[in-house]
Amino acid sequence: EDQVTQSPEALRLQEGESSSLNCSYTVSGLRGLFWYRQDPGKGPEFLFTLYSAGEEKEKERLKATLTKKESFLHITAPKPEDSATYLCAVQAYRGGSNYKLTFGKGTLLTVNP
Amino acid sequence: GAVVSQHPSRVICKSGTSVKIECRSLDFQATTMFWYRQFPKQSLMLMATSNEGSKATYEQGVEKDKFLINHASLTLSTLTVTSAHPEDSSFYICSAREGASADTQYFGPGTRLTVL
Repeated sequence: EDQVTQSPEALRLQEGESSSLNCSYTVSGLRGLFWYRQDPGKGPEFLFTLYSAGEEKEKERLKATLTKKESFLHITAPKPEDSATYLCAVQAYRGGSNYKLTFGKGTLLTVNP
Repeated sequence: GAVVSQHPSRVICKSGTSVKIECRSLDFQATTMFWYRQFPKQSLMLMATSNEGSKATYEQGVEKDKFLINHASLTLSTLTVTSAHPEDSSFYICSAREGASADTQYFGPGTRLTVL
């Protein structure tokens, strides 16, 4: 069974204080690892897809990296508007056309001004 | 691009009634749509996967007679919660996969269901 564990559960930062969120995963045959941002009462917003170990992707203050066992979401000089829950999900190779995502519980990030 | 909408955004109903939630892909054709449920401070749990024109595939433990899914076109899927009970109260979110080979799922804004 695919498993995704995110840490920490909650992270409080001061504006400008860089940090990283962790996503550890266990999956038999990784097809892709996904990062989403979710604001309270809203659906997840797509951020990144990573496919192979060593891959990195960047968007504004966010950078996602991938190894064979985990992914990191690095946040550089965060702003209060970066406050949200960040979700990690994995997609495994399965028979047929199954594109099922298995999500972690997320990291609640709060950035104080 | 890749915008998914849901309607309604919020619904309150009495126990025993049925509720229909619509999920639409606005600017792309969605070969596959997914329905998730999210309880407070919990992660998204996949309920079912639906492909246009065929029966939905339900995850283990999800009652297919209670949660009816119809994917009649490449831009519309509906979830009907039949004979709703208070324990069905939750945040229901749909997602859509763009194209036949695309991996990324784009999510709708969610529907908050409260059953009294």
